[in-house]
Amino acid sequence: AQKVTQAQTEISVVEKEDVTLDCVYETRDTTYYLFWYKQPPSGELVFLIRRNSFDEQNEISGRYSWNFQKSTSSFNFTITASQVVDSAVYFCALSEDYSGGYQKVTFGTGTKLQVIP
Amino acid sequence: SQTIHQWPATLVQPVGSPLSLECTVEGTSNPNLYWYRQAAGRGLQLLFYSVGIGQISSEVPQNLSASRPQDRQFILSSKKLLLSDSGFYLCAWSVWGPRLTEAFFGQGTRLTVV
Repeated sequence: AQKVTQAQTEISVVEKEDVTLDCVYETRDTTYYLFWYKQPPSGELVFLIRRNSFDEQNEISGRYSWNFQKSTSSFNFTITASQVVDSAVYFCALSEDYSGGYQKVTFGTGTKLQVIP
Repeated sequence: SQTIHQWPATLVQPVGSPLSLECTVEGTSNPNLYWYRQAAGRGLQLLFYSVGIGQISSEVPQNLSASRPQDRQFILSSKKLLLSDSGFYLCAWSVWGPRLTEAFFGQGTRLTVV
């Protein structure tokens, strides 16, 4: 069965500090997808990134970067020079290819990030 | 473009009362549909998923049920709510295919059972 672990429940940083959110996953499949979502106080989930299991290239998007390490089953998310607007709950998720047109998405329990001005 | 509608946004219901949350998707056909629950201080828990009309799979045994009467409509129901049903309920959809997309979420329903 697939599993996503986000060991950090809450993190507080001072504005402009860098912060890394950890994500460790378990899956038996060789084909899978990893995601990060942001949930601001308003509640809805905002998609940030998707990676497939065959692409281990790290990605940078502005202040956000993601480090995918298949050897350690980790998909960590770093925010550089954090800002107050980054305060939110961040979810890591894993999706596996299932036959029959279904993808099962499993979410971690989330990491609450508080950026202090 | 595709959109997902979920209502109501907030709901306060007494213990033992019925529940019906509705979710509809526009701009896509034959989506995979999901109901998730986020309990206070906890992560997202998959409750139900559906790959087609009338096809519902349950992940967690509970007093909730789901139905998919139309291709783009997904309903979460309960005959008698429990206090433990309080939480934030999210509907989501995704599309199967070579270009796997992410799951798109509705704005959620905050349910408080009193």
